[in-house]
Amino acid sequence: GAGVSQSPSNKVTEKGKDVELRCDPISGHTALYWYRQSLGQGLEFLIYFQGNSAPDKSGLPSDRFSAERTGGSVSTLTIQRTQQEDSAVYLCASSRVLGGNQPQHFGDGTRLSIL
Amino acid sequence: TQLLEQSPQFLSIQEGENLTVYCNSSSVFSSLQWYRQEPGEGPVLLVTVVTGGEVKKLKRLTFQFGDARKDSSLHITAAQPGDTGLYLCAGIRGSARQLTFGSGTQLTVLP
Repeated sequence: GAGVSQSPSNKVTEKGKDVELRCDPISGHTALYWYRQSLGQGLEFLIYFQGNSAPDKSGLPSDRFSAERTGGSVSTLTIQRTQQEDSAVYLCASSRVLGGNQPQHFGDGTRLSIL
Repeated sequence: TQLLEQSPQFLSIQEGENLTVYCNSSSVFSSLQWYRQEPGEGPVLLVTVVTGGEVKKLKRLTFQFGDARKDSSLHITAAQPGDTGLYLCAGIRGSARQLTFGSGTQLTVLP
């Protein structure tokens, strides 16, 4: 498809386990963003990539969170030693270039539930 | 503390009614976007406003950016059940690269 693809769509795991979330952006989009959304709430910015580079990691909630992007395309968000407060929908978006006025195209998210 | 405050948080109205959703901040934004999100899906961009005082219309939806670029509103005329969703405002502050999102307004339009 032509849109942003995220996998898995749902993930249930036990507290303390590691999880890896995947985002496949729109082909040709150089900018990629990760957000977290609690039920019915706004989006909390986590990290953005320009190409393979993430210049600002300050939005990541803790050092248990990390993200990488390879080949200027697919990105993975990894959460180590998950905690119950990590339960949320994790959304990925991409835009053609990095910039405030650029429309961001979102995937449908990964719903993460930590038991 | 939310940088972008949206009000109301919840709104339930009958089909055919008009409504306004507000997005306010004490900070200046260089641009502001409005998104709509339906359950189980990601947000979809409705509009981008960049100039203070700018008004944009999208069918029955009217978007306004405040003169001081600190606030915005979304007005829907003759709401329809298909307008139901979570409406999110999001802005860019200064030289920031990432969007700051508001807390959202959950709109339900009853038939």
